[in-house]
Amino acid sequence: QITLKESGPTLVKPTQTLTLTCTFSGFSLSTSGVGVGWIRQPPGKALEWLALIYWNDDKRYSPSLKSRLTITKDTSKNQVVLTMTNMDPVDTATYYCAHRTSYYPYAFDIWGQGTMVTVSS
Amino acid sequence: QSALTQPPSASGSPGQSVTISCTGTSSDVGGYNYVSWYQQHPGKAPKLMIYEVSKRPSGVPDRFSGSKSGNTASLTVSGLQAEDEADYYCSSYAGSNNFDVFGTGTKVTVL
Repeated sequence: QITLKESGPTLVKPTQTLTLTCTFSGFSLSTSGVGVGWIRQPPGKALEWLALIYWNDDKRYSPSLKSRLTITKDTSKNQVVLTMTNMDPVDTATYYCAHRTSYYPYAFDIWGQGTMVTVSS
Repeated sequence: QSALTQPPSASGSPGQSVTISCTGTSSDVGGYNYVSWYQQHPGKAPKLMIYEVSKRPSGVPDRFSGSKSGNTASLTVSGLQAEDEADYYCSSYAGSNNFDVFGTGTKVTVL
């Protein structure tokens, strides 16, 4: 059974850097075709794709946020970390991590429960 | 990369069908057969309902179907049930530089 869980601060100040960790089980990020992505959703608004890392360390970023995002993986710890710099109140959102596999190309088949991050001074 | 365009809302009575559109461009929806659909109930994480335009993951009822014509993809929910009331989002691969893009979301109401 695949599960993912996001963790990190619930409150960050403007201009600070946000670090979120996705801890997963039930799969290995060293398996060919597997990836973990990050998606966010501001309150009452739509989903927004942020970043993705594949088993081979291929990394992809949203063009509009690329300069602020970094995604890394620690295969031994079954974790994926997303950092976002220069946080702003508009970055207030629920942040999800999700599993991707070549069985469901370019889709996220399993999602974490999400973690709410508020940006405020 | 702009979000894919969906109607804000759609509705139908129990047993009826509802179809949601998802309009993009030739750089995303029209260019690849990698459109996905997600169902999201309030306060919950999204759930994958359709992938590769029209394929259903195991466990998703066959009342849910997907299709695509040109730059527009569609999700049809047949035989509407109360539990189908949720927000629905489409997503498409948008090429190696832009990767994935989500739609604006559609709230489906079961009357």
